[in-house]
Amino acid sequence: GNSVTQMEGPVTLSEEAFLTINCTYTATGYPSLFWYVQYPGEGLQLLLKATKADDKGSNKGFEATYRKETTSFHLEKGSVQVSDSAVYFCALSSDNNNDMRFGAGTRLTVKP
Amino acid sequence: EPEVTQTPSHQVTQMGQEVILRCVPISNHLYFYWYRQILGQKVEFLVSFYNNEISEKSEIFDDQFSVERPDGSNFTLKIRSTKLEDSAMYFCASSAEGRLGNTIYFGEGSWLTVV
Repeated sequence: GNSVTQMEGPVTLSEEAFLTINCTYTATGYPSLFWYVQYPGEGLQLLLKATKADDKGSNKGFEATYRKETTSFHLEKGSVQVSDSAVYFCALSSDNNNDMRFGAGTRLTVKP
Repeated sequence: EPEVTQTPSHQVTQMGQEVILRCVPISNHLYFYWYRQILGQKVEFLVSFYNNEISEKSEIFDDQFSVERPDGSNFTLKIRSTKLEDSAMYFCASSAEGRLGNTIYFGEGSWLTVV
């Protein structure tokens, strides 16, 4: 079945460091891929998405490219800020979007 | 910006009691969902709802669970007789459409603790 595997955390970085959070997926057909972020005390917010191969989703300096050949959707940011501290979830949906599959989440802490 | 709202934010209940978690989806959305996240584990799909009926449900969503849209704005999850293992964060979500790639908007979650 469909599944998502993402890099286990926690990840601790200094401000302005480069961030990569790996995400790979297993799916039949052509899924859509998402990154959600959960800030402390808040719900899940969509960060970015890509709906077909080679698409790049981007938002707030974060980017992820849908790589069908490597079944990956790694999240990157060139220079993280303290305010980026949160839990990041990679997710996948296929068919009619009813059954969105999430990765385990990666907790990011950015220190000043 | 429109948002999904959930109440209560936190509820503690005794094992065997009934619990109702409430959600107000985004007003023009047609598809509604419940997900849950047991502490330290993945976010898991429970159920989706469209046109006043369940369109899909997971293995987790057994006979103890039910969903309802009692009026034009609320969407509720009922757990009939709670068990300790029902302790989790429950997320309500909604989307304008159900097709592939459409964005699902999540609420802030209701944290349920069963003692």
